[in-house]
Order: sequence, then C-alpha cells, then structure tokens
Amino acid sequence: RKEVEQDPGPFNVPEGATVAFNCTYSNSASQSFFWYRQDCRKEPKLLMSVYSSGNEDGRFTAQLNRASQYISLLIRDSKLSDSATYLCVVNPGSNNRKLIWGLGTSLAVNP
Amino acid sequence: DAGVIQSPRHEVTEMGQEVTLRCKPISGHDYLFWYRQTMMRGLELLIYFNNNVPIDDSGMPEDRFSAKMPNASFSTLKIQPSEPRDSAVYFCASSLWGRGEKLFFGSGTQLSVL
Repeated sequence: RKEVEQDPGPFNVPEGATVAFNCTYSNSASQSFFWYRQDCRKEPKLLMSVYSSGNEDGRFTAQLNRASQYISLLIRDSKLSDSATYLCVVNPGSNNRKLIWGLGTSLAVNP
Repeated sequence: DAGVIQSPRHEVTEMGQEVTLRCKPISGHDYLFWYRQTMMRGLELLIYFNNNVPIDDSGMPEDRFSAKMPNASFSTLKIQPSEPRDSAVYFCASSLWGRGEKLFFGSGTQLSVL
C-alpha cells in the first residue's frame, strides 16, 4: 500500500460546481497534512494546511479524519482557474522534513 | 523578493554525460530540498540540507547522484554519468524553520537524457 494515495482523476466539472477530493495515508502517527496545487508544467505551491478541526479559506475547505486516516479538499463554486493538479502531502513526524507526496488529483473546470 | 532560482530550465544531454543542476534558495531560508518528479513516481525527495549541512540523502537513487551546498545561497545536484532513466523534472525548494511545511519551489529543470 502506498503511503499517500489519491484518486488521479481527472475530475471534469463545469464552472460553479462543487468538487471534493480525498486522500488516504497509511501512517497513523502522521503529524501534519497539506494540500499543494500544481499547474501544468509549473512548480507546486502550498494551497492550505489541514488542521484537525477543519479549516476554510474562501471557497476551499480542508478536513482531516484521523480515525479513518484521510484528508479531504472541497472546492465550492469552481472557477476555470482552479484547473490544476492537487497534491496531498503528509508529514510523518514533527521534526521530520521528509514530506510524503501523493501523485495528485487532476481537476479540469470547464466553461 | 526573488523566489527560488533554478538553472537551467531545460537540459538535454546524451547518456554518459555529466549534468549539473543549480539552485539559489530564498535568502534567509535554512532548509534546502532537491526533489525529482516523474509521472509514475510523483515527487520524490532526493536530499535535503539544513544550514548547508546534508541531513538526509537516503532518497538519492545511486552513487551517480551527488549534491553540495557550499554556502547558504547556492546548491548543486550533479549526475555523473547520466542515464535515460534519469529523465525527469528536478525541483529545488527552500523553507524556513518554524514555518511548517511551506516549501517554496523553483521552476524546475526539465532533464532529458537521450
């Protein structure tokens, strides 16, 4: 089993739709979780951290379920500019800089 | 403020040749990471430095790969000799202790080994 697994997609949604991605992780002792966004042929950029209580940033909501070992990203009112690959990232230890990256979920928002 | 700067953006070379990738981290950042990205394996951490000291190089695939950080503003990743399976995008990233896992990535080097 991979340490971090994501549905590769692609998810094709119309503008204005709500879309959700899940990501599962295998190490129950993992400390922190993140979503990065990567545009085609570009570098990854941090989208948001994922907190135990869940957190929201505008149209984006991230949640963590430790019992089931998954994190989720919800995007409301999708925009064309949301089209990208969303990477799930897990830090297995508090003093560890070795992040574990998922392969990404591809999202295409269509007009 | 300049971000992480990598060079070259693209590198095409023949099998057996030496390849050197360069990175200038964000000024003041104390961590520097070298990643490799392929479609099949995604982003893989090759090595990371803290205050110019290599901390973990367990991701370096073979002895053909080496990395150095002679000072806080410069790092190199060298592949010698290069092989076709080394073809990938190589990213350098930097971060600041205490800022969690917010990595700032360079634009990457697209390496093609023929």
